[in-house]
Amino acid sequence: EAGVTQFPSHSVIEKGQTVTLRCDPISGHDNLYWYRRVMGKEIKFLLHFVKESKQDESGMPNNRFLAERTGGTYSTLKVQPAELEDSGVYFCASSQDSWGQSPLHFGNGTRLTVT
Amino acid sequence: AQKVTQAQTEISVVEKEDVTLDCVYETRDTTYYLFWYKQPPSGELVFLIRRNSFDEQNEISGRYSWNFQKSTSSFNFTITASQVVDSAVYFCALHNTDKLIFGTGTRLQVFP
Repeated sequence: EAGVTQFPSHSVIEKGQTVTLRCDPISGHDNLYWYRRVMGKEIKFLLHFVKESKQDESGMPNNRFLAERTGGTYSTLKVQPAELEDSGVYFCASSQDSWGQSPLHFGNGTRLTVT
Repeated sequence: AQKVTQAQTEISVVEKEDVTLDCVYETRDTTYYLFWYKQPPSGELVFLIRRNSFDEQNEISGRYSWNFQKSTSSFNFTITASQVVDSAVYFCALHNTDKLIFGTGTRLQVFP
């Protein structure tokens, strides 16, 4: 079974540019999550999809961040325009359920550097 | 408030030493789940264990063991006879409603 895959693994962009991160969850997992870790800090929740619907987007920092999951399969997270404080590692995860019975399976993350 | 505290930022040990990583959590929920994840240098987050709040039995898996104590709101992780391959950042997490709340992680370095 393929795991959660994220693309790209690294991205370096200038302040003001746009970046789109992609996540392919484990096949059959309806729940898809985005998390972010800023240098040295905790991994913070951004949002949660159930199929194509946003279940909880309380962690999205501001309206420069837009997440989509068309068709309930892969998801994209777009940052436009990027700011310096957006630098960090963005993790995607998927799971079979959302209430903790099954663990979240994480991808390798996308390291975003905004200069 | 829901919170996870990993007070140890970094721990260094020599191979074959035992090491315990501390995790203290806060929650008002009576039913909850606790997790440990490992992040090796390659970057991915690897699931290690899930524990629900009704099961206070300690768990052992090879060289890994976990001590869950509801009375002190702690879920500590011990590696026995550490190896260089155990070097990683370890995260403790609390499941809250539909998401995980992570601690800041403990970086473990095991030297040969």
